[in-house]
Amino acid sequence: DSGVTQTPKHLITATGQRVTLRCSPRSGDLSVYWYQQSLDQGLQFLIQYYNGEERAKGNILERFSAQQFPDLHSELNLSSLELGDSALYFCASSAGTRSSDTQYFGPGTRLTVL
Amino acid sequence: GENVEQHPSTLSVQEGDSAVIKCTYSDSASNYFPWYKQELGKRPQLIIDIRSNVGEKKDQRIAVTLNKTAKHFSLHITETQPEDSAVYFCAAFHPTMDSSYKLIFGSGTRLLVRP
Repeated sequence: DSGVTQTPKHLITATGQRVTLRCSPRSGDLSVYWYQQSLDQGLQFLIQYYNGEERAKGNILERFSAQQFPDLHSELNLSSLELGDSALYFCASSAGTRSSDTQYFGPGTRLTVL
Repeated sequence: GENVEQHPSTLSVQEGDSAVIKCTYSDSASNYFPWYKQELGKRPQLIIDIRSNVGEKKDQRIAVTLNKTAKHFSLHITETQPEDSAVYFCAAFHPTMDSSYKLIFGSGTRLLVRP
């Protein structure tokens, strides 16, 4: 157990809908990262937050947004869902923003868009 | 641009043999290179990492080597066991415009250790 929690574990929804994925970082970690992993694909970095502020952006679609709250938990919002958005979404956390800060991954949320 | 290439995409070895996975990165400013193991349906887990001021690091049956000049790094697993079967991802930290970093992953290597 990495100490990072994600809810829900599974989510099934229809095209055009909107969902929210939630992540709680390890105790003491200030950075939260979101990744997308499609079937048999690698991990695509979406976005990073540090202490409530956006720090780095990857290949995140405009239909997706995220935020980090004062208690440091983070939410990833996916809207106007398409079939291709079906994937595993991982959250990771680290102590800070240094390159040497190890990222610990949560168990993931499996999103299925029908 | 930011890119990490990983080879091979699949690797099948006999139990007890060694396995080697290789990665190359594009940004010479990258200075931290973790390796993650992901079992089917589970989270990626850090198994070993190396920093740019070190050429080699070993942890029991796992070792990682780094060649900064050539911008490539490799994972070596010796005396492989069936439980080593998983997908392995290399990654490199890529500096961003605002002095932060983001982790760029390779495409993964599916390792199968045959009993």
